[in-house]
Amino acid sequence: SQQGEEDPQALSIQEGENATMNCSYKTSINNLQWYRQNSGRGLVHLILIRSNEREKHSGRLRVTLDTSKKSSSLLITASRAADTASYFCATEGNYQLIWGAGTKLIIKP
Amino acid sequence: NAGVTQTPKFRVLKTGQSMTLLCAQDMNHEYMYWYRQDPGMGLRLIHYSVGEGTTAKGEVPDGYNVSRLKKQNFLLGLESAAPSQTSVYFCASTGTAQETQYFGPGTRLLVL
Repeated sequence: SQQGEEDPQALSIQEGENATMNCSYKTSINNLQWYRQNSGRGLVHLILIRSNEREKHSGRLRVTLDTSKKSSSLLITASRAADTASYFCATEGNYQLIWGAGTKLIIKP
Repeated sequence: NAGVTQTPKFRVLKTGQSMTLLCAQDMNHEYMYWYRQDPGMGLRLIHYSVGEGTTAKGEVPDGYNVSRLKKQNFLLGLESAAPSQTSVYFCASTGTAQETQYFGPGTRLLVL
């Protein structure tokens, strides 16, 4: 069963633009994570945001969390070709993570 | 520090053949996971382990078996491969359940 659902499923933008993707979830959480997956490779952890945090930054990444709306957003500023990847959110389950289906981001040169 | 490694990287099987995928981690993590990812899809959990000698079923366990005889290794077995098991298999580990998972590079399996 999937807890997180990313939106949009796919996003194509010009290099240099900002990219925003969203994740909605169903039950209360302690934390929410975002991961990146380059084509055919393993997932790489980007950011973990806890339920008592509203916003977190890491370089060009900004993650927000709205627990009242059960949603999170990932903003990538000043996008680069290397940001082309799929992005997944994950929330905690019983000894495991529950994964969304991902947003496929394409950065056009 | 290699992190999480998986062998083999790629394998072709005929229907009915068996094989074992090996995942190894050198981070002394308690928790290990096997996922499969089909084209254009997200991750689906096959089996997981919360410590040496323990295993548990995930979302899609049928047709797979696992063993965690040593803390650093998590083996995924296919006893009788089927074309529906064609997928990319990822292993992951973490020191604390529900927090950051560290992934291996994946094993591409094609079942003919």
